[in-house]
Amino acid sequence: GDSVTQTEGLVTLTEGLPVMLNCTYQTIYSNPFLFWYVQHLNESPRLLLKSFTDNKRTEHQGFHATLHKSSSSFHLQKSSAQLSDSALYYCALGGYKLTFGTGTSLLVDP
Amino acid sequence: ETAVFQTPNYHVTQVGNEVSFNCKQTLGHDTMYWYKQDSKKLLKIMFSYNNKQLIVNETVPRRFSPQSSDKAHLNLRIKSVEPEDSAVYLCASSLQGSNTGQLYFGEGSKLTVL
Repeated sequence: GDSVTQTEGLVTLTEGLPVMLNCTYQTIYSNPFLFWYVQHLNESPRLLLKSFTDNKRTEHQGFHATLHKSSSSFHLQKSSAQLSDSALYYCALGGYKLTFGTGTSLLVDP
Repeated sequence: ETAVFQTPNYHVTQVGNEVSFNCKQTLGHDTMYWYKQDSKKLLKIMFSYNNKQLIVNETVPRRFSPQSSDKAHLNLRIKSVEPEDSAVYLCASSLQGSNTGQLYFGEGSKLTVL
C-alpha cells in the first residue's frame, strides 16, 4: 500500500538558518498528489502547499517544495527559518486515499 | 476563519461510558472525515463520507460509529470508551477527495478517558 516516510521526528535550528524537512513516498500510482500540512501548537492542521507536477517548484508563505518522481521525494524547504515556523509538519500522499507521514516537529530557536 | 465546527472541544469521561462528537461544515463540501490524532501526533483516518455515504471505513474498533444526517454534518459516537481512545478527534471536509484536494480541519475534540 501507499506509505510516506519522514525520517526526522524533531528538527531544531537557529533562526535565520535554512530549513529542509525530508519526505519520501511509495505508491503504485503514476500521478500522485503530494501535500505538506502544518500544525501550530493548539491549532489544527492546515494545508501549506501541494503539488502533482513532476519537477515543478511549488511555493507558499516562504516555503517551497519540488515533487521529484524519479526519487519519490517532496522535501520542504525554506531559505531562512523564523521563530513562527516552529510547528509540526506533515507530509501527505494522495492516492486512493490520503496517507499522512508521522510528522516532523520543527523548533526554531532565537 | 473557522468553517468546520466541532463540539465539544474537550471531554473527560470514564471507561465504559458513551461519548459523541459533532461536526458541521459550512463550506458546501461533499466529503467529510474523522481523523484520530494520538499522543504521538500520528494522524489516522477513521471514516470518510461523501454526500452522506460512507466511502472509507478504516479498521477501527466496532465501538466507533459515524453518523451523517446530511453532507454538512458528520458525527462520531464511541459506545463504551477505552483508555486507548484518549486522543484528539479531528473532523475535516474537502471539496474534492482528500487525495487530490485540500482538507479543512476543525479545531478538534480532545477526549480523555480516565
